[in-house]
Amino acid sequence: DTGVSQDPRHKITKRGQNVTFRCDPISEHNRLYWYRQTLGQGPEFLTYFQNEAQLEKSRLLSDRFSAERPKGSFSTLEIQRTEQGDSAMYLCASRSNPGQNYGYTFGSGTRLTVV
Amino acid sequence: AQTVTQSQPEMSVQEAETVTLSCTYDTSESDYYLFWYKQPPSRQMILVIRQEAYKQQNATENRFSVNFQKAAKSFSLKISDSQLGDAAMYFCAYRSVEGAQKLVFGQGTRLTINP
Repeated sequence: DTGVSQDPRHKITKRGQNVTFRCDPISEHNRLYWYRQTLGQGPEFLTYFQNEAQLEKSRLLSDRFSAERPKGSFSTLEIQRTEQGDSAMYLCASRSNPGQNYGYTFGSGTRLTVV
Repeated sequence: AQTVTQSQPEMSVQEAETVTLSCTYDTSESDYYLFWYKQPPSRQMILVIRQEAYKQQNATENRFSVNFQKAAKSFSLKISDSQLGDAAMYFCAYRSVEGAQKLVFGQGTRLTINP
């Protein structure tokens, strides 16, 4: 593994369309996080998985957002009926179990533009 | 809920000089971790330095050091001998030791290095 991979790097979609992003974490990392970063701001937490279980969701994650992590490996983040306000960078990060008190390994992000 | 504040949206420094980026945070927890992350343009978030709250000694990593003042809830980053490659957005982040252990980020400081 060379790091956390995110696909696609860029996505332009029309308002009202559905989009899905993928994150492949470092294989031995069982914790996976999604963040959203708008232009000029710091990332904001969206949701967290430990293995395949989604253990916490931010209030930022409206009903139009859904995330999955089947089999505790890769994760997908889907946005339904996109709105212009959804335009942002979506970052994925992973880390291993507690005991390793380091930060996270981040992916390069998926930049979403809703037109 | 924890909050992180970076009051300097932009900073600039001459190459080879020293610059200090400020960060304050608010928490009721006694044990936690603090981080500085670097985000170069269009590139992924990279960990610069971390500090465990239970340690009184300030962390250092080569040209990067922190001034951690727990009582004042202050966590500044000092970059010595600034290099052109240090130009980036710098984010201060807080992490609890319990629960999801998600990162709470500040708004960021854009650092420019003048040759």
